[in-house]
Amino acid sequence: GAVVSQHPSRVICKSGTSVKIECRSLDFQATTMFWYRQFPKQSLMLMATSNEGSKATYEQGVEKDKFLINHASLTLSTLTVTSAHPEDSSFYICSAGFREVGNEKLFFGSGTQLSVL
Amino acid sequence: AQSVAQPEDQVNVAEGNPLTVKCTYSVSGNPYLFWYVQYPNRGLQFLLKYITGDNLVKGSYGFEAEFNKSQTSFHLKKPSALVSDSALYFCAVRRGGNTGKLIFGQGTTLQVKP
Repeated sequence: GAVVSQHPSRVICKSGTSVKIECRSLDFQATTMFWYRQFPKQSLMLMATSNEGSKATYEQGVEKDKFLINHASLTLSTLTVTSAHPEDSSFYICSAGFREVGNEKLFFGSGTQLSVL
Repeated sequence: AQSVAQPEDQVNVAEGNPLTVKCTYSVSGNPYLFWYVQYPNRGLQFLLKYITGDNLVKGSYGFEAEFNKSQTSFHLKKPSALVSDSALYFCAVRRGGNTGKLIFGQGTTLQVKP
């Protein structure tokens, strides 16, 4: 089946630094990628939707200058948490989707646990 | 606005017994409904989906779900639970035609005891 690779799986950084998370679709071209945030034992909250070659669409309440999303190719999207603070500590999950005739498919990465000290 | 509710934070069941994880939804138009499972510190794994057709949907690992339009529910079921089914389960909804944007329920922890 289709695979979405998310890297790194875990990152610890100091407050004020920036962290980049990569999401790659390994065996398909992802027309759309999504970034979610998940707090412990809570649901996934959609942060933004990105389409290759265009600006990401952010959900209400998500700071686009803090969470920079780049979708430069059909197989790669990146999320950069800029000037990270302890409250940004969370589990971040990407998903990648594509359409085939009569169906749309969506696959999730394995997630990135971000801890900001 | 679309929304999904999973009324139970946790469901406990003995191994070999049937299990049900509840989900209700609210969406305008025809819903696309999904169930995902998440193991600790992992991403989500797709279990099954309902788009149209038969109200009873069969998915991975022996799970099934029944779409009930009148009750706006999409409960996840399995006839005989396994200890390895213990995980966090999410119900999600997407309004038809809105590519890929899923709204998730708050999740239900399933604990299967031997």
